[in-house]
Amino acid sequence: GAGVSQSPRYKVAKRGQDVALRCDPISGHVSLFWYQQALGQGPEFLTYFQNEAQLDKSGLPSDRFFAERPEGSVSTLKIQRTQQEDSAVYLCASSLGTGLAGFYEQYFGPGTRLTVT
Amino acid sequence: QKEVEQDPGPLSVPEGAIVSLNCTYSNSAFQYFMWYRQYSRKGPELLMYTYSSGNKEDGRFTAQVDKSSKYISLFIRDSQPSDSATYLCAMSAGGSTLGRLYFGRGTQLTVWP
Repeated sequence: GAGVSQSPRYKVAKRGQDVALRCDPISGHVSLFWYQQALGQGPEFLTYFQNEAQLDKSGLPSDRFFAERPEGSVSTLKIQRTQQEDSAVYLCASSLGTGLAGFYEQYFGPGTRLTVT
Repeated sequence: QKEVEQDPGPLSVPEGAIVSLNCTYSNSAFQYFMWYRQYSRKGPELLMYTYSSGNKEDGRFTAQVDKSSKYISLFIRDSQPSDSATYLCAMSAGGSTLGRLYFGRGTQLTVWP
C-alpha cells in the first residue's frame, strides 16, 4: 500500500504557539517512531510506540513535547509553546514490529519542516 | 562527543567510481547496523541492514562491520548519478532500546556524469 505520510509538510509557527504534527503509518505496521532532524544533522530519536503504547519517550527534549497514538495507527506529535530551537524536520517512521528486522527496517515519511519565528 | 561519528563530506566522484563511506561509534553495545539514503526534502530510505561483524552484499552495495574497531563502512561500486544523496549510518543496541536508532550526521555524495 501507500508509504508513511505526514502532514502538514511545512509549518511556520510564531514563538509561543502550539503545533500538532500528524503521521499516518503504513497499514499494519505495529511500531511507530518519531525523530527530529536539525539542518545538516542526522535524525535524533524522540519517542517510540508499539500499537497504542508509548514504550520509550526518553528522547523527547522537554515536557513541551508530547506524542500520542490512541488507536494504534495515526500518531500526533504536539509541541507546546514553541521555541526557535524547535525548528527542524520532524520525521515519522513505522515498522512491522515483529522479528528483529521488523524493528530495524523502519520506513520513513517525508517529514514536516517546522520553522519557528 | 556523539555516539556515532560520520564525516559530512561533501564527497564528489565521477560516474563509475567506487565510493567508500564510513562511520565510527563509541557504544560497544551497538549490535545492529544500518545504512540509509536520503534525497533532498525526502525521508531516509533503508539500503542495508547487518547484525554484528562481517560483510553483506546487495547488488552494487557492500556493508562491512568491524566491531573490534567500532567502525562500519558502505561501499558503492560502479557509482551512478542517481546515487547522489546523503548517506546516513544508523545503529542500535537492541534489548530495552529495541528499535531506537542512533544516526550519524550523514555524508553528502555527488556522482557526476
